[in-house]
Amino acid sequence: DIQMTQSPSSLSASVGDRVTITCRASQGISNYLAWLQQKPGKAPKSLIYAASSLQSGVPSKFSGSGSGTDFTLTISSLQPEDFATYFCQQYYSYPLTFGGGTKVEIK
Amino acid sequence: EVHLVESGGGLVQPGGSLRLSCAASGFIFSDHYMDWVRQAPGKGLEWVGRTRNKADSYTTEYAASVKGRFIISRDDSKNSLYLQLNSLKTEDTAVYYCARLISGRFYFDYWGQGTLVTVSS
Repeated sequence: DIQMTQSPSSLSASVGDRVTITCRASQGISNYLAWLQQKPGKAPKSLIYAASSLQSGVPSKFSGSGSGTDFTLTISSLQPEDFATYFCQQYYSYPLTFGGGTKVEIK
Repeated sequence: EVHLVESGGGLVQPGGSLRLSCAASGFIFSDHYMDWVRQAPGKGLEWVGRTRNKADSYTTEYAASVKGRFIISRDDSKNSLYLQLNSLKTEDTAVYYCARLISGRFYFDYWGQGTLVTVSS
């Protein structure tokens, strides 16, 4: 199975901050990488696919980059509605696997 | 508008069975692969399995942790996805989400709100 490792596991940031989350795959996955956002008590929401493509309706403050084993999710200017847990997920091979999550909290 | 609504969760004893449903609307259900993903309380996301569409013979894939115990099926005439959970263990306690994959692609776009399965004596 491909292991997905996110860092940090949590971070504190202020409104307006630029935030970067990293995700590393245990083997190369090309760009078969998605990012999801989950708010407490809610279902995940798909943000990014193919490492850098925004899902329909996702604001451009979210961006993704990377290929192979190393990926990043960046939020350019953190807003109150962005405080949530973010997961990376590979869909290169079965079983699909997720990172452990990064909880973005208010400083 | 795409909607996915899970139902069927509840409390079940270890060794018991349960059938979850996911009612789909707002899109051509038969065109899409559909997955189940679960989340244990306070934990991360775990992929459970997939059913492909009719064009790909409704074939399925499962996580090793559920293979042989869980069965994914679908009824395109009812726009519904199912997850039959058998031989349940306490570690199967989780919120179960159904999720749609983009037609012709292999990533998720829409998720249901989830249904909680609690396995406990």
